[in-house]
Amino acid sequence: GAVVSQHPSWVICKSGTSVKIECRSLDFQATTMFWYRQFPKQSLMLMATSNEGSKATYEQGVEKDKFLINHASLTLSTLTVTSAHPEDSSFYICSARGPGQGYSNQPQHFGDGTRLSIL
Amino acid sequence: KQEVTQIPAALSVPEGENLVLNCSFTDSAIYNLQWFRQDPGKGLTSLLLIQSSQREQTSGRLNASLDKSSGRSTLYIAASQPGDSATYLCAVKTYKYIFGTGTRLKVLA
Repeated sequence: GAVVSQHPSWVICKSGTSVKIECRSLDFQATTMFWYRQFPKQSLMLMATSNEGSKATYEQGVEKDKFLINHASLTLSTLTVTSAHPEDSSFYICSARGPGQGYSNQPQHFGDGTRLSIL
Repeated sequence: KQEVTQIPAALSVPEGENLVLNCSFTDSAIYNLQWFRQDPGKGLTSLLLIQSSQREQTSGRLNASLDKSSGRSTLYIAASQPGDSATYLCAVKTYKYIFGTGTRLKVLA
């Protein structure tokens, strides 16, 4: 089945640094990728949707200048948390959808997530 | 605005019990509903996907039903096992997935 790989799985860094998270589709071309954030004991909240080769669409309340998303190829999307602060500590999960997998009837494939801890 | 609620928030049962997890959503205009399992600190594992035109889906000991008109779905787990312990999330699909807050299940040996 379709596999989505996310890297790194866990990162700890100092406040003020930038952190990049990669999301790769391993056996299909991901025309659309989604980035979610999950705080402890809470549900997943969609941050942004990115289509290959175009700018990401951010959900209301998500700062696009803080969470930079790049989807330059059909197999790779990156999320960069810029000038990270402790309140950005969270579990970030990406998801991917291939061509022809429209809104209606196909499941999305999820990565294993990245736990980000900002000291 | 679509809202997804899961009840109960937490559940602890002895091994072998059959159990039902509930998911309700406020807007019936959905494409599909999907149930996921999430182990602590891990990503999501898809369990069952129900299209909006379907009433139920089954996989092994799992059965999920969907009543779109009433905005409800249930996940039935038969003969629960300690390995079923996890958080179960339901998500409804419009142009995006909207997730419920989950049910944390613990099956005691």
